[in-house]
Amino acid sequence: NAGVTQTPKFRILKIGQSMTLQCTQDMNHNYMYWYRQDPGMGLKLIYYSVGAGITDKGEVPNGYNVSRSTTEDFPLRLELAAPSQTSVYFCASSYPGGNTIYFGEGSWLTVV
Amino acid sequence: DQQVKQNSPSLSVQEGRISILNCDYTNSMFDYFLWYKKYPAEGPTFLISISSIKDKNEDGRFTVFLNKSAKHLSLHIVPSQPGDSAVYFCAASGLQEYGNKLVFGAGTILRVKS
Repeated sequence: NAGVTQTPKFRILKIGQSMTLQCTQDMNHNYMYWYRQDPGMGLKLIYYSVGAGITDKGEVPNGYNVSRSTTEDFPLRLELAAPSQTSVYFCASSYPGGNTIYFGEGSWLTVV
Repeated sequence: DQQVKQNSPSLSVQEGRISILNCDYTNSMFDYFLWYKKYPAEGPTFLISISSIKDKNEDGRFTVFLNKSAKHLSLHIVPSQPGDSAVYFCAASGLQEYGNKLVFGAGTILRVKS
């Protein structure tokens, strides 16, 4: 019963490097999301997708890119990593029109 | 501009007693509210929700109360157990909106002492 799976769980990046956070879900959810959580802050939406081939910006999209080629996968790409991108990243999914979101376990990213 | 506020960063409660976690919101268009629970090194998990047509929703030891006039909701856990120790996030949106419109509070750390 996998649900939403994210990799890697931990990563240290140097300033200016790029990387991709992988996310896959096996619940056949159309909607997928990427959030970041900073200490003492709520979850902030980075990007979301309502189906394969369709993505849109959330509240804090700068410095990130996404793609959605399949229903299952929703990778998040960090280009030119900056210390401000040090955070915990959560991938999530839901049914269309569903407000109950199912989260992955998180990816801890440190940019030094 | 924080539309959803959890003003208590942390709460400590004795096992067996009641835990009350509070959440305030400012957007009068919100009409669907959720609580998520998060353990360390795990993702948030859905706990309980309430729509604005109700003022109370109960699920076992967990009850959410909604006061629309005060734009306030609270989560009651009775009796509290050590396994309830976690971060609790309040979230809100319009009932007809999708998950991308969910606004989260900053979370409250609950510690239940045995």
